[in-house]
Amino acid sequence: DTGVSQDPRHKITKRGQNVTFRCDPISEHNRLYWYRQTLGQGPEFLTYFQNEAQLEKSRLLSDRFSAERPKGSFSTLEIQRTEQGDSAMYLCASSPDRGPGYTFGSGTRLTVV
Amino acid sequence: GQNIDQPTEMTATEGAIVQINCTYQTSGFNGLFWYQQHAGEAPTFLSYNVLDGLEEKGRFSSFLSRSKGYSYLLLKELQMKDSASYLCAVRDGTGTALIFGKGTTLSVSS
Repeated sequence: DTGVSQDPRHKITKRGQNVTFRCDPISEHNRLYWYRQTLGQGPEFLTYFQNEAQLEKSRLLSDRFSAERPKGSFSTLEIQRTEQGDSAMYLCASSPDRGPGYTFGSGTRLTVV
Repeated sequence: GQNIDQPTEMTATEGAIVQINCTYQTSGFNGLFWYQQHAGEAPTFLSYNVLDGLEEKGRFSSFLSRSKGYSYLLLKELQMKDSASYLCAVRDGTGTALIFGKGTTLSVSS
């Protein structure tokens, strides 16, 4: 297993455009998470999936953000009508149901111009 | 509220030992994690504590006191490649989300 994979690594988009990111978790992990990290800050939790069910969403996840995990494997995070404040690193992580194996992907760096 | 505090910056020299402290106040606790993050890269897992005491892993050790809401990461025999941000994170009461501190930027000089 190659760990958690994210695509693309970098995305530059114009304000108002929609963007979609993909995350492939570690195959045996049931849980998948999305975080956002801005410069000088730690990652902030956005949302969590247990298999295909989205069980938790942060207040940070505005209506312009939507995440899916249709078959309980890969996940997508879509941002509609992007704003400059959306510029950040978007990190995906996966974990087993218990224990320390909380593993992050390399992230997608989004720049909104 | 949820709060994780750690120093913003630390400096040390090669070969030395450094201790990075973390204090937390969270609604619920399901383990404490330390991650290393180099600029522009993803956080990489260093250590995990769920019970009080010291966990040792090579040059890295982590300590937890749940009653004091306190942890530290100890790095021994520092190398230049240890220059990075070190993130303290607590898994919340639901057992899902990690609540992160802002990170401690460690600079190791020769």
